[in-house]
Amino acid sequence: RKEVEQDPGPFNVPEGATVAFNCTYSNSASQSFFWYRQDCRKEPKLLMSVYSSGNEDGRFTAQLNRASQYISLLIRDSKLSDSATYLCVVSSNTGNQFYFGTGTSLTVIP
Amino acid sequence: GAVVSQHPSRVICKSGTSVKIECRSLDFQATTMFWYRQFPKQSLMLMATSNEGSKATYEQGVEKDKFLINHASLTLSTLTVTSAHPEDSSFYICSAARDRRLFSEQFFGPGTRLTVL
Repeated sequence: RKEVEQDPGPFNVPEGATVAFNCTYSNSASQSFFWYRQDCRKEPKLLMSVYSSGNEDGRFTAQLNRASQYISLLIRDSKLSDSATYLCVVSSNTGNQFYFGTGTSLTVIP
Repeated sequence: GAVVSQHPSRVICKSGTSVKIECRSLDFQATTMFWYRQFPKQSLMLMATSNEGSKATYEQGVEKDKFLINHASLTLSTLTVTSAHPEDSSFYICSAARDRRLFSEQFFGPGTRLTVL
């Protein structure tokens, strides 16, 4: 079983829509969780860390569900510039290793 | 955020040649640098972790004699793909961190696209 699994999509949504991605992880003792954004042929960039209590940054909300072992990313009021691949990253139980999901592709349509 | 550069950004080479990719942290000292490979429509796969002044730690399945890593200073790490073959064609990305435990403080380079003919 993969350490991290994501629905690759693609998700095609109209501008202004709300879209949510989930990412499941296999190691219940994983310590740290992140969402990264990767534009085509570019390097990943940190979007936000995911905290147990959930966290919000503008139009983006990240949540962690330890019981069901998944993290989620919610994007409200989608913009064209949100089009990218969103990668979830999960640490090992020691915190020394990190595993990337395969990414979820989002295209926001005018 | 901090700046990490990679050179070259794109390289095309013949099968059997060796290719060196440089990763530099431009405005901070990176105690640890990571090398990743990403095939089309796949996730980043960690290849190796290098700490300045010591041997790199390779992930399972990555041949250390084929992917030579040198982390000679706190601002420079190099990855040499030796005797490259078409199956080595990929997007290679490095990242640099002041502290490997702080993943969110890991800054990625822009990547190097390698095509082996």
